[in-house]
Amino acid sequence: NAGVTQTPKFQVLKTGQSMTLQCAQDMNHEYMSWYRQDPGMGLRLIHYSVGAGITDQGEVPNGYNVSRSTTEDFPLRLLSAAPSQTSVYFCASSYSTKGLPYFGPGTRLTVT
Amino acid sequence: GQQLNQSPQSMFIQEGEDVSMNCTSSSIFNTWLWYKQDPGEGPVLLIALYKAGELTSNGRLTAQFGITRKDSFLNISASIPSDVGIYFCAGQGNTPLVFGKGTRLSVIA
Repeated sequence: NAGVTQTPKFQVLKTGQSMTLQCAQDMNHEYMSWYRQDPGMGLRLIHYSVGAGITDQGEVPNGYNVSRSTTEDFPLRLLSAAPSQTSVYFCASSYSTKGLPYFGPGTRLTVT
Repeated sequence: GQQLNQSPQSMFIQEGEDVSMNCTSSSIFNTWLWYKQDPGEGPVLLIALYKAGELTSNGRLTAQFGITRKDSFLNISASIPSDVGIYFCAGQGNTPLVFGKGTRLSVIA
C-alpha cells in the first residue's frame, strides 16, 4: 500500500512550457485534491475531485487543468507555465469529502 | 473564500518547554485537523477533532475543538528537537478543507 504518490519530485520549466504533475493513490479514495504551497501562504486549494469524472475548482484554479478518468489518478496540467506557478504542489486523497486527507510527498516546481 | 488565522507565525523555544498555537475562523467548521510538515515532505495528520468541546491527545500533543466551532488550539508538552517543523491547522465545513498559514516551530537544544 503505497498511499499517495507524486511524480516528479522536482521539475524545472521554462516560461510557456507545458507539463503534467502526476498523482496516484491506491487506497480506493473517492476524493482527491491538489494544493500549492508558497512561503507564508499555507496550502491553497487548486482543484479537487469527488469521484471519477467529476472535478471542481478550488481557491486558485487559474492556469491549471485537471481530469479524473479513474479513481486512482488525478493529474494536474500546466498548459503554459508562468513564473508565478513556481511552488511546491501537493496532492491529497481521502475516502470522501468528509474524510481525513492524506498527502503525497510533493512536487517542487520552478518556472524560469 | 474562508480564512483561517493561525498564530503565532513562528516560535523559538527551548527543549523541554511547552508550546501552544491556535487557529480562529470567521466560519463554523464541523471538523478541525492539525498537521505537521517536516522539511521537504508533505503534511502528516496529527490529530482530528469532530465535536465542539472535544479534547484529544496523541502522545505529547493535545488539541481542542472550540465550543463556538470557530477555533482550535494545539499544545505540545515537553518539546524535543524532532518537534521542529511547520504545524498547520485545517478546518472542514460544507466546503473543501481550508488551511491556516502555519506555525513554524524551532526547538533550541
